[in-house]
Amino acid sequence: QVQLQQWGAGLLKPSETLSLTCEVYGGSLSDYYWSWIRQPPGKGLEWIGEINHSATTNYNPTLKSRVTISRDTSKNQFSLKLSSMTAADTAVYYCARGLIVARPGTFHSWGQGTLVTVSS
Amino acid sequence: QSALTQPASVSGSPGQSITISCTGTSGDVGIYNLVSWYQQHPGKAPKLMIYEGNKRPSGVSNRFSGSKSGNTASLTISGLQAEDEADYYCCSYAGSWVFGGGTKLTLL
Repeated sequence: QVQLQQWGAGLLKPSETLSLTCEVYGGSLSDYYWSWIRQPPGKGLEWIGEINHSATTNYNPTLKSRVTISRDTSKNQFSLKLSSMTAADTAVYYCARGLIVARPGTFHSWGQGTLVTVSS
Repeated sequence: QSALTQPASVSGSPGQSITISCTGTSGDVGIYNLVSWYQQHPGKAPKLMIYEGNKRPSGVSNRFSGSKSGNTASLTISGLQAEDEADYYCCSYAGSWVFGGGTKLTLL
């Protein structure tokens, strides 16, 4: 049973860069697709991007210019960086793993979520 | 790409069935058989309930079922139970992954 444990700074100032890490227990980064998804307070879900078993990344077109997703297979971790943060980026950020090996989407296993607030 | 369209709220009584719609376009729901559905209780991470339109992950009750007609996908919950009260989100591939705005299910 895979488990995802995420962490990172919860309070940022406008223009700063968000940095979150998700560590995977009970599974390998070299298999599935690994995604970041966010949810503004009281609002719906938004897919940010993914990194796959071959380290290929795909990003939401609306965030692509500000997003970088990377991985460290030696630590079984993958990370999110989102630059030029504004108040509109305030949200709970989740890491997630796909259900089926080597197939994108179908976010099955989730991290606990990290509330990130952007405020001066 | 635009978010998928879901009703803001639906309601039903225990034991009844309800259906939540998810309307997209010929560029997402209509062309790809990659719609998934998520249940989210307050303060919790979403839970995958249906994937690839009508498949249930292991452990999900068979009271949950998915279907599609044209550009609209649907989630049906039969035999409503108290624990089904939650927010539900659809998701589809559209060149990237796009979610619906969410539907709040209330039990009467």
